[in-house]
Amino acid sequence: ELKVEQNPLFLSMQEGKNYTIYCNYSTTSDRLYWYRQDPGKSLESLFVLLSNGAVKQEGRLMASLDTKARLSTLHITAAVHDLSATYFCAVDESGGYQKVTFGIGTKLQVIP
Amino acid sequence: DADVTQTPRNRITKTGKRIMLECSQTKGHDRMYWYRQDPGLGLRLIYYSFDVKDINKGEISDGYSVSRQAQAKFSLSLESAIPNQTALYFCATSVQGTYNEQFFGPGTRLTVL
Repeated sequence: ELKVEQNPLFLSMQEGKNYTIYCNYSTTSDRLYWYRQDPGKSLESLFVLLSNGAVKQEGRLMASLDTKARLSTLHITAAVHDLSATYFCAVDESGGYQKVTFGIGTKLQVIP
Repeated sequence: DADVTQTPRNRITKTGKRIMLECSQTKGHDRMYWYRQDPGLGLRLIYYSFDVKDINKGEISDGYSVSRQAQAKFSLSLESAIPNQTALYFCATSVQGTYNEQFFGPGTRLTVL
């Protein structure tokens, strides 16, 4: 059974600071997703990482994937209040069957 | 208009009642999913369907059933609702391809009293 672990589960940081959210998973996969969820809202796709060494960047967020270590990171650069949300990673356990398993999320609070 | 819609958006019901949650999509995707979200537990897969005739149980299908009426419609039923089915329910869609990312509906907040 695929397990997906995120840490930290809660992160409070000041504006302007950098931080990284980690996503570890337990079985082989080469397809990983990051989603954002604002309070009371749906999930919004941020990044799709398809291969070892993949790196994607959008604004102040950068995601990377190391399939050998079974690890993905979501790095936040110079955080701003608008980035406050819950971030989920999700792993496709079967290489294309799209039956993904989600981590329980990291709640990010950026303090002005 | 939203690509993935869910009805109702909010529902309060009583224990033992039958409830149906509906999901429709205009994205033309062949794959549809139902998840529930509980605080501290993330999203858990209830059922998924890769086409109209292919329906599969997820990790928490007990107490739920689904119907794929058409490529664009996927309904989730609670035959006899119980309080621990109180949760936020999401429908999602995807299409087979390079990225395979899932697109989520706005969610249905269900409360079972």
